[in-house]
Amino acid sequence: DAGVIQSPRHEVTEMGQEVTLRCKPISGHDYLFWYRQTMMRGLELLIYFNNNVPIDDSGMPEDRFSAKMPNASFSTLKIQPSEPRDSAVYFCASNSRDEPTGYTFGSGTRLTVV
Amino acid sequence: GQNIDQPTEMTATEGAIVQINCTYQTSGFNGLFWYQQHAGEAPTFLSYNVLDGLEEKGRFSSFLSRSKGYSYLLLKELQMKDSASYLCAVDRGSTLGRLYFGRGTQLTVWP
Repeated sequence: DAGVIQSPRHEVTEMGQEVTLRCKPISGHDYLFWYRQTMMRGLELLIYFNNNVPIDDSGMPEDRFSAKMPNASFSTLKIQPSEPRDSAVYFCASNSRDEPTGYTFGSGTRLTVV
Repeated sequence: GQNIDQPTEMTATEGAIVQINCTYQTSGFNGLFWYQQHAGEAPTFLSYNVLDGLEEKGRFSSFLSRSKGYSYLLLKELQMKDSASYLCAVDRGSTLGRLYFGRGTQLTVWP
């Protein structure tokens, strides 16, 4: 398996623009997580899915953020409109309940909003 | 809430031994993970403890005391490449499937 695949690796956008981050989890994993990481706040859980259903979105900062998982092999995190304070590294991770190694993280998307 | 505490920073020299501590107070416990994260990269799995005691894996070992809510990661024969952030994460054991992460300990290894 190629692991968790995220795209793009880097994104630079202007304030007010829409940003879409993409994630392909490991085949067979039934949990998918979106995290945001900054120096100030560390790893913050934004939302996670189980069997494509959102379980907890309480970490989503505000209505500008939305996430979908239309099928078991694809998820998106959208920010509209983007703001400079959204600049961070966004990680997607997946696992299955009995995975002894916990999460497998994707390589992340480094988002810069100018 | 869930409290998971680790020191923010540590430094050590090549060849030395360093111990990174993690204390946790969570409602429920089903295991503790340690991850390593190099600058600009994703966290990668290092170790998993669910029972009390020491788990050894090469130069790295991890210890757990459930009664004390305490774990440590022990790194021996430090190398420059061990400079990274080390994240402690707790599985609460609920059906929710998520891990709760500490803020991470930034380890710098000097020559």
